[in-house]
Amino acid sequence: EAAVTQSPRNKVAVTGGKVTLSCNQTNNHNNMYWYRQDTGHGLRLIHYSYGAGSTEKGDIPDGYKASRPSQENFSLILELATPSQTSVYFCASGDPGGALEQYFGPGTRLTVL
Amino acid sequence: QQKVQQSPESLIVPEGGMASLNCTSSDRNVDYFWWYRQHSGKSPKMLMSIFSNGEKEEGRFTVHLNKASLHTSLHIRDSQPSDSALYLCAASRNTEGADRLTFGKGTQLIIQP
Repeated sequence: EAAVTQSPRNKVAVTGGKVTLSCNQTNNHNNMYWYRQDTGHGLRLIHYSYGAGSTEKGDIPDGYKASRPSQENFSLILELATPSQTSVYFCASGDPGGALEQYFGPGTRLTVL
Repeated sequence: QQKVQQSPESLIVPEGGMASLNCTSSDRNVDYFWWYRQHSGKSPKMLMSIFSNGEKEEGRFTVHLNKASLHTSLHIRDSQPSDSALYLCAASRNTEGADRLTFGKGTQLIIQP
């Protein structure tokens, strides 16, 4: 089964601080995704990537940046964290093609005070 | 506007009963539908996918798809307490570069012993 790991698993940050969430996958999938999950909103796509060096905006990219330095790693960066970014963040990976499954990491719970 | 609508928001079913969950896309360009299951505190995991009109059965789980109405439904027979989870419906397209899933808000299923 596909292996996707995230770090940290829990993070408390202060308003205005910089937060970096990291994701690693060992399955050589080309595509990686960052979602946030909030009660009443389901999973919403923030940024995604087709491979090393590429990042694309998802449905809610404002306030977030992404970085894909290698096939295995995909980071989500909050330059100036705000309390509205308190959420659970999931990373996922998958191969190209709309018919192919995405595999999710365990999630990172971020609290911005 | 949510492009993937799920109903009901929550559902309580007695153990051994039948659970029926619904999902409709408002995007006429979607080609594939997915059902993900998320247990409390865990990450989403793909349960079933359906790409063609008709029905697909895997054990106690049956998925129906009507592509004309862009409606899919998930039916769980002989429901077990371990089926209690958030069920997320997602849709995707079969076009180059469109490797994205759009999720609904989910149906919270509770199986009462």
